[in-house]
Amino acid sequence: QVQLVESGGGVVQPGRSLRLSCAASGFTFSNYAMHWVRQAPGKGLEWVAFLSYDGRTEYYVDSLKGRFTISRDNSKSTLSLQMNSLRADDTAAYYCARDPEGGSFGYPDYWGRGTLVTVSS
Amino acid sequence: SYELTQPPSVSVSPGQAARITCSGDALPKKYFCWYQQKSGQAPVLVIYDDTKRPSGIPERFSGSKSGTMVTLTISGAQVEDDADYYCYSTDSSGNHRVFGGGTKLTVL
Repeated sequence: QVQLVESGGGVVQPGRSLRLSCAASGFTFSNYAMHWVRQAPGKGLEWVAFLSYDGRTEYYVDSLKGRFTISRDNSKSTLSLQMNSLRADDTAAYYCARDPEGGSFGYPDYWGRGTLVTVSS
Repeated sequence: SYELTQPPSVSVSPGQAARITCSGDALPKKYFCWYQQKSGQAPVLVIYDDTKRPSGIPERFSGSKSGTMVTLTISGAQVEDDADYYCYSTDSSGNHRVFGGGTKLTVL
């Protein structure tokens, strides 16, 4: 079955960087586009970024463009999110999610359990 | 930035129909999805492509659209349907995706 396992979260000081990873299994990772979605404590879902199956097409929420970078390594079935210049309002659970399409910019179908990022001094 | 608007809360008794709305200017021409999120858990897709149910989602979940509003209907809501529900769609440019603010459904 489809499994997505996020890692790399933790406590980080404001202004520092953090890299999240998502290990995928149970499907052919290189055939599917992927998303990152985040959820601040007690708040709603916020779509963050999308990457096509081949890594050539990416989209970001406008508020994060330039600070966050989504990438993938299809040889390792791994999705990543590089987060720079972190701020307190980046504190959230970060979810990795699969898109049922490959190149089309669609919607998340399967989700991981998330990894918590806390930005605090 | 584009927004999808949902009511903060909806409350029904078990066996009643629960209807959760989501409004957005681009919805007439764009697809939408619905997600269920129970406390402490990851979201689960319950409706995609406006009206389709993923495998394993009960038939009591359905989606519909009328103009700039889409509706998730749970026919005969069960106690286990108590959760937060989020709509999801795209802005008119197609380059951004957005979730609604979420609706807390209480089945009690």
